[in-house]
Order: sequence, then C-alpha cells, then structure tokens
Amino acid sequence: AQSVTQPDIHITVSEGASLELRCNYSYGATPYLFWYVQSPGQGLQLLLKYFSGDTLVQGIKGFEAEFKRSQSSFNLRKPSVHWSDAAEYFCAVGASQAGTALIFGKGTTLSVSS
Amino acid sequence: DTAVSQTPKYLVTQMGNDKSIKCEQNLGHDTMYWYKQDSKKFLKIMFSYNNKELIINETVPNRFSPKSPDKAHLNLHINSLELGDSAVYFCASSTGNGANVLTFGAGSRLTVL
Repeated sequence: AQSVTQPDIHITVSEGASLELRCNYSYGATPYLFWYVQSPGQGLQLLLKYFSGDTLVQGIKGFEAEFKRSQSSFNLRKPSVHWSDAAEYFCAVGASQAGTALIFGKGTTLSVSS
Repeated sequence: DTAVSQTPKYLVTQMGNDKSIKCEQNLGHDTMYWYKQDSKKFLKIMFSYNNKELIINETVPNRFSPKSPDKAHLNLHINSLELGDSAVYFCASSTGNGANVLTFGAGSRLTVL
C-alpha cells in the first residue's frame, strides 16, 4: 500500500539550532516526493520537491531535503531555524501520471523556542 | 491575484443543512482537487477533476457532490451535513501533466453544530 510516515508528531527546536524532520514512504512506482509547510490558519505552501537527479534538493526558506532510495526516506533539514519556521510540515508522495493525487503523511508540528 | 481561491473561508451551520464551497484557480491548470483535513490535521484526497472530468473519487459519502463547470472551477456541495463533516476543506490545482505539483487554496473551515 502507498503511504507516508512522519514518525515525529511534534518537535521543539531552539532558535538558531539545526532541524531535521523525518519522512519515510512506501510507494510501488518511482516516487515523486514533496515537502509542504502549513502555517496556522493558512493553506499549504510547497517547500521543495524531488523528481529525479541529484538526491539533495534545495527549497525555499533555506530548507533542503535528501532522497535516500535504500532507506525509502526523504528527510527535511535546515541548518539554522528561525522563529518564523514554527508551523506544520507535511511530507507527500505522488506519481507522474496526470491527475494522480498526492498522499500525505500525518504531519510534524515544529515549535521554536527562544 | 490569488492563484487558488476558495469561498467561504469560514462556514458555521447546523446539522442537516446543505452547503457549498467554491474554488477557482487562475493558473491555467487542468486538474483540480478537493482534500479534507480533519481535526488531527490529516489530509485526505476526496475528489479530482481533469478538464471537467471526474478522475478520482475516493470513498466519500454520496452526500458530497463535486461539480466542475469548467477547468478553472471546482465546487463542493454537501447535503445533510453531519457533525463529522466538520473539517477544513482544501482545494488544489495542478498542471496534471508530468509530475504533479499541487498549488493549494487557503482552505475553508466548516463547522457543523
């Protein structure tokens, strides 16, 4: 079955510290992988995506993610977290076929302490 | 100009009522979606339309009926609302061609009393 697992429900990081959010997927075909961020009361904004090629992808707001096929993982990282990064983060997997829906993980809530 | 816009943003109604949520995208995308986000923030696909044709119809009560008058619009009508329908409903669109990158609306929070 196709699924996405985000093992951490809630993470608290000090401002300026590094961040890693974990994501594991199960997908029968070649996965297309995404990270979205949702600020309180807002819609989802795309942070970055992986389709093919270089397994380390850069996104907006200083985020990056690394695709590891052998571990079925696509972890999100940021070297130095800012208070404004506090939000809900969703990992998602999809396919290349037109109109296929993304399957989302249950999200990780990031809190940033000062 | 908002890329994917949903109305209304908030909707409070009584059980048994019928309500609609509208969605419009100005990105020229071919595919539109409805997702439901429950109280635990879990996002689940409900429907997808490609050029006005229904292509995804997940296990959703038939009280929910999507309608796409043209490829820029996708509306969601809900009959006989129940308490469990309370959620945030997100509309999204994508090019539907090659890898799908979804652009989401801001969401419509439905509260059923």
